Amino acid sequence: DAMVIQNPRYQVTQFGKPVTLSCSQTLNHNVMYWYQQKSSQAPKLLFHYYDKDFNNEADTPDNFQSRRPNTSFCFLDIRSPGLGDAAMYLCATSRAHSGSYEQYFGPGTRLTVT
Amino acid sequence: GDSVTQMEGPVTLSEEAFLTINCTYTATGYPSLFWYVQYPGEGLQLLLKATKADDKGSNKGFEATYRKETTSFHLEKGSVQVSDSAVYFCALSDPGANSKLTFGKGITLSVRP
Repeated sequence: DAMVIQNPRYQVTQFGKPVTLSCSQTLNHNVMYWYQQKSSQAPKLLFHYYDKDFNNEADTPDNFQSRRPNTSFCFLDIRSPGLGDAAMYLCATSRAHSGSYEQYFGPGTRLTVT
Repeated sequence: GDSVTQMEGPVTLSEEAFLTINCTYTATGYPSLFWYVQYPGEGLQLLLKATKADDKGSNKGFEATYRKETTSFHLEKGSVQVSDSAVYFCALSDPGANSKLTFGKGITLSVRP
């Protein structure tokens, strides 16, 4: 089945220690998104790639970076995680100009900062 | 800007009860509308969608109709099950915005046996 895969499902990192979360997709979608979701809140968009073009949200901290080496993979780098960065991180994909605009989400990575 | 407003929660129902979750929106363009469901510890799953006025999206017994005149997209199910317990998000996507989603706050549904 075509899908969005996130690894790992659970990640523990130490305060200030860089961490990378990964996302891959077999849907061949050209848009990939990263969201941060804290408890009992809606997902908050951090940034997205439209093909190779990176689009950062205005309020995304500089501590968060992303890479998309090819169509299938996208990475979220947190350079110096703080306690406030503990959250669920969701990757999603969509096919731009498909006419329906829905996004397909991965299962998420739960990040704990100790 | 675009926004989505969902009714306040949480909602607790008995099994086989009727469910309505209200959702209204404001948008500058002609959006597509979605309901996503999130089970505990999981990502979001697309439950149903509608892309134009009077469209009815349906899936797994859930329905929602795109009402342009009232800018609403209320979610309904005739008979809920314990397995429907989850968080439900209403969302819209404005054309030309790279498919970016605007979410409502979400509402937690708990169904008792």
